[in-house]
Amino acid sequence: EDQVTQSPEALRLQEGESSSLNCSYTVSGLRGLFWYRQDPGKGPEFLFTLYSAGEEKEKERLKATLTKKESFLHITAPKPEDSATYLCAVLNQAGTALIFGKGTTLSVSS
Amino acid sequence: DTAVSQTPKYLVTQMGNDKSIKCEQNLGHDTMYWYKQDSKKFLKIMFSYNNKELIINETVPNRFSPKSPDKAHLNLHINSLELGDSAVYFCASSQDFDQPQHFGDGTRLSIL
Repeated sequence: EDQVTQSPEALRLQEGESSSLNCSYTVSGLRGLFWYRQDPGKGPEFLFTLYSAGEEKEKERLKATLTKKESFLHITAPKPEDSATYLCAVLNQAGTALIFGKGTTLSVSS
Repeated sequence: DTAVSQTPKYLVTQMGNDKSIKCEQNLGHDTMYWYKQDSKKFLKIMFSYNNKELIINETVPNRFSPKSPDKAHLNLHINSLELGDSAVYFCASSQDFDQPQHFGDGTRLSIL
């Protein structure tokens, strides 16, 4: 069964304190892994797509990496505006829909 | 311009009623989706649809039905609403199934 597990569920950081979020997945033949950010009362906002092991993508303070079993979202020197829920998803085996993890809620305090 | 828009933003109704949620995308995408986000914030696919096929998640009750009048719209009709239908419903679109999806801001459905 296609499955996505994210850890930790919640993460509290001080401004400037770098850390990583984990996303482990089980799907036959990965066709794409997606990272989204969701703010309260809003829909998920697309961040990155990774398609093959070894691939890396960066955007401002965020960097996403992919191995054959998991992905990491590294946050370097976070700011309070980075506070949000970060969602990881993989394309299902049929390639027709995203399977989401339960998310990591990040809180960054100044 | 909002890329994916849903109406209404909030919907409060009684058990047993029938309701619809509308979704429109102005991105020119070929594929649209409906997701349900429960009280624990877990997002789960309900339907995937492009101009060729409708993919239905087998766990979705047949009281839920998507209707697409054209490529830019995918509405969600719900019959005989139940308490367990209370959730936030998100519409999304993408160029194709393996491309990034763009989400609307959700419709919060509350059943009294």
